[in-house]
Amino acid sequence: AQKVTQAQTEISVVEKEDVTLDCVYETRDTTYYLFWYKQPPSGELVFLIRRNSFDEQNEISGRYSWNFQKSTSSFNFTITASQVVDSAVYFCALTQAGGSQGNLIFGKGTKLSVKP
Amino acid sequence: NAGVTQTPKFRVLKTGQSMTLLCAQDMNHEYMYWYRQDPGMGLRLIHYSVGEGTTAKGEVPDGYNVSRLKKQNFLLGLESAAPSQTSVYFCASSHGQTQYFGPGTRLLVL
Repeated sequence: AQKVTQAQTEISVVEKEDVTLDCVYETRDTTYYLFWYKQPPSGELVFLIRRNSFDEQNEISGRYSWNFQKSTSSFNFTITASQVVDSAVYFCALTQAGGSQGNLIFGKGTKLSVKP
Repeated sequence: NAGVTQTPKFRVLKTGQSMTLLCAQDMNHEYMYWYRQDPGMGLRLIHYSVGEGTTAKGEVPDGYNVSRLKKQNFLLGLESAAPSQTSVYFCASSHGQTQYFGPGTRLLVL
């Protein structure tokens, strides 16, 4: 069975601190995709990144970076020099490649609060 | 492009009433989805569609029906609303593996 675990329910940091959001996944598939979505207080879900299981290169986009490690089944998300606008709930998700594209499994989310 | 839109944004129902949530996308995506989000939970898949005229059950389909008569629209119906269906409902569409979400519909069933 597929499962995504975000053990950190809530994190609070002060602006300019770095913060890492953890994501651990379980799957028996050899080919799969991992995602991060952001849900700000306004409620919409914003796509941040997709990574396929064959690409373990870390990715950096501005203050955001992602560390994918198949050996530990983890796909962690780091925000460098956090800002108040980063306050949101962040969801990690997993889907099987090919086959049914309806099988997007979400973690329960990590609520990040960045205080000024 | 408007992306994915949902109608209505907010609705209050009484137990036993019926309603239909509308999702529309203008990205020509084949795949569309309905999820529900409850406090402290991630999103759970209700139903999805892999193309016009097709639908399939997700993780939590009971109490809901869907229809995909046109490629750009995906309707979610509640025939007899129950308080347990109080939730925020999100629609999404995809081309390839990435799903793009609508703004959500907040539903309160009294």
